[in-house]
Amino acid sequence: NAGVMQNPRHLVRRRGQEARLRCSPMKGHSHVYWYRQLPEEGLKFMVYLQKENIIDESGMPKERFSAEFPKEGPSILRIQQVVRGDSAAYFCASSRRTSNSYEQYFGPGTRLTVT
Amino acid sequence: KQEVTQIPAALSVPEGENLVLNCSFTDSAIYNLQWFRQDPGKGLTSLLLIQSSQREQTSGRLNASLDKSSGRSTLYIAASQPGDSATYLCAVNSGATNKLIFGTGTLLAVQP
Repeated sequence: NAGVMQNPRHLVRRRGQEARLRCSPMKGHSHVYWYRQLPEEGLKFMVYLQKENIIDESGMPKERFSAEFPKEGPSILRIQQVVRGDSAAYFCASSRRTSNSYEQYFGPGTRLTVT
Repeated sequence: KQEVTQIPAALSVPEGENLVLNCSFTDSAIYNLQWFRQDPGKGLTSLLLIQSSQREQTSGRLNASLDKSSGRSTLYIAASQPGDSATYLCAVNSGATNKLIFGTGTLLAVQP
């Protein structure tokens, strides 16, 4: 059973370009979460999605950031017109809703560098 | 607003020692608490998850305890090994939307 997969693992973008980060949850998981780890800072929640629905986007910056989790295919975190401050590691996690546990399993992350 | 704090920020111990990492949170209304390990440049590996109704969980040389009323959790590592060197993170799930609130981590170095 493959774990959470993220690609690309490393992404370099120039200021003003768009960045697209992909996340495939573990098999059987229908809940996806995105977190961001800025340099020298802790992990911060960004957004929580279920298939075709955004459940909580309270951690998403108001502009330039969007996320989706379509019925088919991976979840996508999109950053438009990237700036240097967007350079960070972006982690995706997934969980399977059960009666007892919402344990989240994390992917290896995508390290975004904006030049 | 839930805040999660971890102390110490860094810890260096000789191989074989038993050690305790601390995590505190400000709002006791939690759903569960997870301990993770993060190696440099890598993702997070889930170590233990404690539900709010539980007092402790064990996995191999690891034991995590939870005291909701005092807002504290500890991660006990027995007989530490150099391979245990990593950053250890605790994260609280307050349940409303299942998002995790992370502490800033404890950087552990186990000296051979």
